[in-house]
Amino acid sequence: AQKVTQAQTEISVVEKEDVTLDCVYETRDTTYYLFWYKQPPSGELVFLIRRNSFDEQNEISGRYSWNFQKSTSSFNFTITASQVVDSAVYFCALSGGAGSARQLTFGSGTQLTVLP
Amino acid sequence: DTAVSQTPKYLVTQMGNDKSIKCEQNLGHDTMYWYKQDSKKFLKIMFSYNNKELIINETVPNRFSPKSPDKAHLNLHINSLELGDSAVYFCASSQDLASGGATDTQYFGPGTRLTVL
Repeated sequence: AQKVTQAQTEISVVEKEDVTLDCVYETRDTTYYLFWYKQPPSGELVFLIRRNSFDEQNEISGRYSWNFQKSTSSFNFTITASQVVDSAVYFCALSGGAGSARQLTFGSGTQLTVLP
Repeated sequence: DTAVSQTPKYLVTQMGNDKSIKCEQNLGHDTMYWYKQDSKKFLKIMFSYNNKELIINETVPNRFSPKSPDKAHLNLHINSLELGDSAVYFCASSQDLASGGATDTQYFGPGTRLTVL
């Protein structure tokens, strides 16, 4: 069975602070995919990143960066110089590799509030 | 143009009624999904269709019946609505890697907020 844990239920920071959202996963698949989605107050789910299990390179996209560590089964997400518009619920998710069920298993989400 | 669309966006109805939610994607994907997001924001898969065939059917009451008339559409029909069905329902689509997709990233519709009174 697959499981995703986002231990931080809510985080509150002041604008321009850096913030890291934690994600720990469990899977028996040797090939799997990890995702982050953003759900702003308007309610839609916005895709942010997809990472293969065999690619442990960290990724940076503007103010966003992701740290994937297979040794600790973690896929953490850092926002640098946070802005009020970053306020949202952020979900980490996991899907199986070839031959596995391809549905996303989501974590419970982290509510990020960025204060002006 | 909207990639994954759902109608209606809001649905308010009485217990016991039957209702449908429609989903369409114009991404050319071959796999579509329904997810339920409860009041605590927890997201859980309900169904998945690949090329109009049901491939995932999680433990969902049989009052919920998905229908896929073609690859671009996956509708959700709910019979005898109950209070506990109140939630946000998300449709999503992806391209299966096995059928040549470069990525199987799921793209979500805007959600349908269902309120059962």
